[in-house]
Amino acid sequence: GQSLEQPSEVTAVEGAIVQINCTYQTSGFYGLSWYQQHDGGAPTFLSYNALDGLEETGRFSSFLSRSDSYGYLLLQELQMKDSASYFCAVRTNAGKSTFGDGTTLTVKP
Amino acid sequence: KAGVTQTPRYLIKTRGQQVTLSCSPISGHRSVSWYQQTPGQGLQFLFEYFSETQRNKGNFPGRFSGRQFSNSRSEMNVSTLELGDSALYLCASSVGTDGYTFGSGTRLTVV
Repeated sequence: GQSLEQPSEVTAVEGAIVQINCTYQTSGFYGLSWYQQHDGGAPTFLSYNALDGLEETGRFSSFLSRSDSYGYLLLQELQMKDSASYFCAVRTNAGKSTFGDGTTLTVKP
Repeated sequence: KAGVTQTPRYLIKTRGQQVTLSCSPISGHRSVSWYQQTPGQGLQFLFEYFSETQRNKGNFPGRFSGRQFSNSRSEMNVSTLELGDSALYLCASSVGTDGYTFGSGTRLTVV
């Protein structure tokens, strides 16, 4: 099966940079995705890494190291609206995606 | 283009009843996945359908079932409802290896 570990909570101040880590164990690894979910809302797709390295999308970047079974989401220039839960998800060759338990990010003024 | 549509948005059922939830994916998306989310928990995978075939299945009891129609719309059914089935049920559609697009979910309350 698959398992993912990510911190349950992270707190940072507005304007700062925060990194949310995700380690995984899986067979048939295909890619790692990140999703954002605000309270009461649906998860929204942020980024996807299939190859090692850094993917940048505006203030958000995602990194993957397949050899270390590790990835992270980097959020820069934090804004209050970034307060949300962030989930990493592993996709396997069979097309199945397993989500982590999520990291609650609180951005303080 | 229209997003993923889930109906109904809210549902209250009594223990022992059954319920059917509906999901219409984004036009052109043939893969539909279902997830259960309970307060403070991650998303637990239920099943995935692709071209009317169940491609993957999570670790849920047989009371949870689903199907997909030829137009890619999907339904999931839960029979003999239990209090613990109260949750947000999310449907997501995707094409290829792109990320999932989730619907707004159906919030099911079992009393």
